[in-house]
Amino acid sequence: DQQVKQNSPSLSVQEGRISILNCDYTNSMFDYFLWYKKYPAEGPTFLISISSIKDKNEDGRFTVFLNKSAKHLSLHIVPSQPGDSAVYFCAASNNAGNMLTFGGGTRLMVKP
Amino acid sequence: KAGVTQTPRYLIKTRGQQVTLSCSPISGHRSVSWYQQTPGQGLQFLFEYFSETQRNKGNFPGRFSGRQFSNSRSEMNVSTLELGDSALYLCASSLGPGNLATQYFGPGTRLLVL
Repeated sequence: DQQVKQNSPSLSVQEGRISILNCDYTNSMFDYFLWYKKYPAEGPTFLISISSIKDKNEDGRFTVFLNKSAKHLSLHIVPSQPGDSAVYFCAASNNAGNMLTFGGGTRLMVKP
Repeated sequence: KAGVTQTPRYLIKTRGQQVTLSCSPISGHRSVSWYQQTPGQGLQFLFEYFSETQRNKGNFPGRFSGRQFSNSRSEMNVSTLELGDSALYLCASSLGPGNLATQYFGPGTRLLVL
């Protein structure tokens, strides 16, 4: 039973446009959500996070939105750059230490 | 500041053997977590250690075990290897439990079981 799902395995966007990556979760105990970026042969790199008490968090070109009632979060990247091309994972925590539940990832390709 | 170090980076073993993977956290970090990444199951949590104590364990068989030393370095062991254990094993360190935004991942150890 996948508690965190990223339904789009891939996404292709033109440079300069907005990239929107989506993530759904089923466990209502999750209260902290993170997005990671991963390049091949490297570990995931933390991008941005959001607590369940917020509905939006912004950091530069990256914004994460959380809709608790829909159990849905999204990552917006504006403007998208070719260097953003990577696999993006959303992850969730239920405040039980550092245990994270990851989604399956979305491969983002930003075309010049 | 040096990042999370994992050794070895690549490993080939045969079924039935055992393997030990090592993780050196960032200096000052006392929490270490381990994850397994496979094409079929994605990234799955294995276990988390803090102050030499296992705090959480994922849904993996008892063949998977780990430990943490007093200098916060951690090892994980997989006994009686199976083909399905072929994966990228990732280690992450953070200052302590609950410090997820300051958690950094290592490059991983890629294990191939033949």
